[in-house]
Amino acid sequence: DTEVTQTPKHLVMGMTNKKSLKCEQHMGHRAMYWYKQKAKKPPELMFVYSYEKLSINESVPSRFSPECPNSSLLNLHLHALQPEDSALYLCASSQGIEVGGSEAFFGQGTRLTVV
Amino acid sequence: GESVGLHLPTLSVQEGDNSIINCAYSNSASDYFIWYKQESGKGPQFIIDIRSNMDKRQGQRVTVLLNKTVKHLSLQIAATQPGDSAVYFCAESLYNFNKFYFGSGTKLNVKP
Repeated sequence: DTEVTQTPKHLVMGMTNKKSLKCEQHMGHRAMYWYKQKAKKPPELMFVYSYEKLSINESVPSRFSPECPNSSLLNLHLHALQPEDSALYLCASSQGIEVGGSEAFFGQGTRLTVV
Repeated sequence: GESVGLHLPTLSVQEGDNSIINCAYSNSASDYFIWYKQESGKGPQFIIDIRSNMDKRQGQRVTVLLNKTVKHLSLQIAATQPGDSAVYFCAESLYNFNKFYFGSGTKLNVKP
């Protein structure tokens, strides 16, 4: 199983809503990532979890709140988003730094629209 | 040919020709590089990787070349097929850190 599964595939939410994006992998990877991708742009790193601990936050606004309940799951909690937060949100996983230099596997993304 | 502007740089090739996609990376300390292919509406898909102790690595129909002196990476696709049409991104990282940063991307358009 080399899949990273993201749900939902599409999400429309109002600026006052609270929603969560979910990501799951069963490859035994110990690093998990959230990326944000706007149209015609490269993915931008948001958060990295290593061994279920937040290791990198790329100065992401607090309206985005990541959570790693266990080694297979990664959530992104959304609250009070702005229309400019509309984007494709990608989850990825990799083996981790002990292995070193291992590629990140990406999910298909959640297409988020904030209205 | 290639075009750069407000949109993604686009490379148009004829089916069966070889394609070369280029990428300039930013961090001279980066020592691990990956090429990803992203089709419309999908997540990036791993194509090939290379570590900084190598100049060249070959896969099936693809070759990655690394020039550390000028911080340049290229992806060569042999006998390009319509299914190769996608946006291609290079990503760089430090070997001992879980951080992957993406280049700006090139759209490959394969004409039948």
